[in-house]
Amino acid sequence: ETGVTQSPTHLIKTRGQQVTLRCSSQSGHNTVSWYQQALGQGPQFIFQYYREEENGRGNFPPRFSGLQFPNYSSELNVNALELDDSALYLCASSLVGGAVTGELFFGEGSRLTVL
Amino acid sequence: AQKITQTQPGMFVQEKEAVTLDCTYDTSDPSYGLFWYKQPSSGEMIFLIYQGSYDQQNATEGRYSLNFQKARKSANLVISASQLGDSAMYFCAMRVGGSSNTGKLIFGQGTTLQVKP
Repeated sequence: ETGVTQSPTHLIKTRGQQVTLRCSSQSGHNTVSWYQQALGQGPQFIFQYYREEENGRGNFPPRFSGLQFPNYSSELNVNALELDDSALYLCASSLVGGAVTGELFFGEGSRLTVL
Repeated sequence: AQKITQTQPGMFVQEKEAVTLDCTYDTSDPSYGLFWYKQPSSGEMIFLIYQGSYDQQNATEGRYSLNFQKARKSANLVISASQLGDSAMYFCAMRVGGSSNTGKLIFGQGTTLQVKP
């Protein structure tokens, strides 16, 4: 168990709605990143937050936005949901300046279904 | 372009046998790290092993070893003495650049491994 927790674990929304996913990072980790994993695919990097600021973004439109809080927890917000947004959303925490491997510790994800 | 390629969608291995999962990567950056993660049906990505681009020796972690061939740009995962609990999806991933990119990994498509009793 990594200590990264995500909520909710499952949710269903309809097209056009908005969703907020939450993540509590592993204790002591200062970086949070979010990934989208479509069924049968590898995870795709959405963005990364460090010291409460976005400092890296993948190929995702602006309707995907996020926040990182002083306690390093994070939110992913998706507006104007589309059917293709149905996926497993993974949160990962890591430590800038930590061990050389700097591995990411992932939560179990939030599975979003858009109808 | 930075890319990870896993060409084996599915693999079978007999319990207690060894298995190799293939991974090739593409980057022009001289500084990079290569990772392998295991994803069981629960969804959580479990870190297995890491290889840095400047590491002289192949990484090993228990039953996992990474066969790093830099000239061929390959980073194959070898699992020895397979166990039933090894059945899962396996992802190869790459991080490029410095510590500021700590959270950004490029993943391959994954390989589903099934261990037969």
